[in-house]
Amino acid sequence: EPEVTQTPSHQVTQMGQEVILRCVPISNHLYFYWYRQILGQKVEFLVSFYNNEISEKSEIFDDQFSVERPDGSNFTLKIRSTKLEDSAMYFCASSDVSGTVGPEAFFGQGTRLTVV
Amino acid sequence: RKEVEQDPGPFNVPEGATVAFNCTYSNSASQSFFWYRQDCRKEPKLLMSVYSSGNEDGRFTAQLNRASQYISLLIRDSKLSDSATYLCVVSMNSGYSTLTFGKGTMLLVSP
Repeated sequence: EPEVTQTPSHQVTQMGQEVILRCVPISNHLYFYWYRQILGQKVEFLVSFYNNEISEKSEIFDDQFSVERPDGSNFTLKIRSTKLEDSAMYFCASSDVSGTVGPEAFFGQGTRLTVV
Repeated sequence: RKEVEQDPGPFNVPEGATVAFNCTYSNSASQSFFWYRQDCRKEPKLLMSVYSSGNEDGRFTAQLNRASQYISLLIRDSKLSDSATYLCVVSMNSGYSTLTFGKGTMLLVSP
């Protein structure tokens, strides 16, 4: 069964450092997303990406964040100058529009980012 | 203002019980509705989409009431493996759109 894969599974970084979280979406999907979940909180939307550009972004996704699709398979989230409050689980997701109800998004297993 | 609201639980039920979860959403323009399941420290996994006419998938039945902006999930004959957090999720349109998650309702099924 096709799946979204994310690396690394856990990243520990010092405050102020830059991190890059990597994702390989499902191969025939066209829409890519990053979500995050702070421990004990709800899953929150960060950004969506379609046709090599950002389609939508939330208030959380400020200048500290950027996304890129450097090649035909990878989708990355870069967080510059990390802060303690960036500690969270970051989920990549992908979808197509074949669902009869709506976008059935499939999530990767997540990257747990810990900023110390 | 909470966009998707759920009772956090936990709901503690014995195996074989029937349990129901409810969810309300605030944006009347929401078009697509889902239930996801999330195990502890794992990714959300799609459990089922919710159709306007209601739909069933094995032991799971989902209902949507657009007038009341209310979504429900019924689980019959609960199994130990059903223990998880159930996330109510809405989307703004029927094509591509981002997902808005509720905080989830925790279910604990005991032997």
